[in-house]
Amino acid sequence: GAGVSQSPSNKVTEKGKDVELRCDPISGHTALYWYRQSLGQGLEFLIYFQGNSAPDKSGLPSDRFSAERTGGSVSTLTIQRTQQEDSAVYLCASSLNTDTQYFGPGTRLTVL
Amino acid sequence: DAKTTQPPSMDCAEGRAANLPCNHSTISGNEYVYWYRQIHSQGPQYIIHGLKNNETNEMASLIITEDRKSSTLILPHATLRDTAVYYCTPMKPNFGNEKLTFGTGTRLTIIP
Repeated sequence: GAGVSQSPSNKVTEKGKDVELRCDPISGHTALYWYRQSLGQGLEFLIYFQGNSAPDKSGLPSDRFSAERTGGSVSTLTIQRTQQEDSAVYLCASSLNTDTQYFGPGTRLTVL
Repeated sequence: DAKTTQPPSMDCAEGRAANLPCNHSTISGNEYVYWYRQIHSQGPQYIIHGLKNNETNEMASLIITEDRKSSTLILPHATLRDTAVYYCTPMKPNFGNEKLTFGTGTRLTIIP
């Protein structure tokens, strides 16, 4: 079956611009996570959605970051007024109410 | 405080068994041991997890010591495609609401 997909695979933007990153989770998975991974660094949790519950936004680094999940499926991560320190690989993962998370290929964001 | 300790790098000859150790001496009684790997420029890939019994699936075997303070991931017949960074992480099941964290992992290189 289809895995988690993310788009775009690469995004280059100028400092100060807004970007939107998309995640399509595995069909039927109720939980969706966003992480980011900077060069040579580990995973940094950003936000978590579970069904219709309020999202856990505790990992968002600033109010420039927001995410939504429409219809319990597709999610969009938005970064406003991008900064160079936002450059990273943004990873999405989904799970079926278990603790095994399945990751997408990531979006590599470069802010010039 | 580091939750896990893994050797930073290992080499293994193609076709041989790769044995990757992980120390998790502070693991709590209800935490599972999860293993993921990350091939260059891809998202993390789930491999296997276990609580206290040894586990095997189509990808690997997981051996957990009786005191649960360490474990070994075994790739029985390593191929070049197994070259990746391997992460072990203890995680307590929480109905999907678990934020993955990775340490520095082990960079496994399969030698032709």
